[in-house]
Amino acid sequence: AQSVTQLDSHVSVSEGTPVLLRCNYSSSYSPSLFWYVQHPNKGLQLLLKYTSAATLVKGINGFEAEFKKSETSFHLTKPSAHMSDAAEYFCVVRYTGGFKTIFGAGTRLFVKA
Amino acid sequence: DTEVTQTPKHLVMGMTNKKSLKCEQHMGHRAMYWYKQKAKKPPELMFVYSYEKLSINESVPSRFSPECPNSSLLNLHLHALQPEDSALYLCASSQGRGENTEAFFGQGTRLTVV
Repeated sequence: AQSVTQLDSHVSVSEGTPVLLRCNYSSSYSPSLFWYVQHPNKGLQLLLKYTSAATLVKGINGFEAEFKKSETSFHLTKPSAHMSDAAEYFCVVRYTGGFKTIFGAGTRLFVKA
Repeated sequence: DTEVTQTPKHLVMGMTNKKSLKCEQHMGHRAMYWYKQKAKKPPELMFVYSYEKLSINESVPSRFSPECPNSSLLNLHLHALQPEDSALYLCASSQGRGENTEAFFGQGTRLTVV
């Protein structure tokens, strides 16, 4: 069975410090993995996706994620947080050959000045 | 153009009203989706259309009625809703199914049922 676990419901960092948002997945098959960001009362914006071409994926706004099959993880990182990064982040797994996606519960990122 | 446009942005309706939510994309995507999102929760899939045919209905109550008039448009007709149906309704589209076909989301319609 496929599932996604975001290990932290809230993460708080200071501006200019690194960000780490953790995601573990469970999948019988090679998954498609995505990170989305959602600012308050907005839709979801794709940050990056794992395409199986490279394990280190670079996304928009300085975010990147590393696919580690041995750890079944797809953690999101950013070297230096900005105030505008404060938002909800969702890790998403997509079934191969299907339309259904599984969302993690989300991680709220707080950035302190 | 990587936009999915949803109208209206906000909607307040009574429990006896009939209203519709609209979604439009011009990316040539053949799959379109409706999601419902409650506060502080991830989106929940409601319906999927593929090539203008209903492909998935996640056991959604019949007071929600989807419609896909053509490959660019997706509607969600609402009738006799309950206050607990108040939520952010998100539309999304993708090239198709399977791997590497990420979904693009609209900004959502904030629905309040009174």
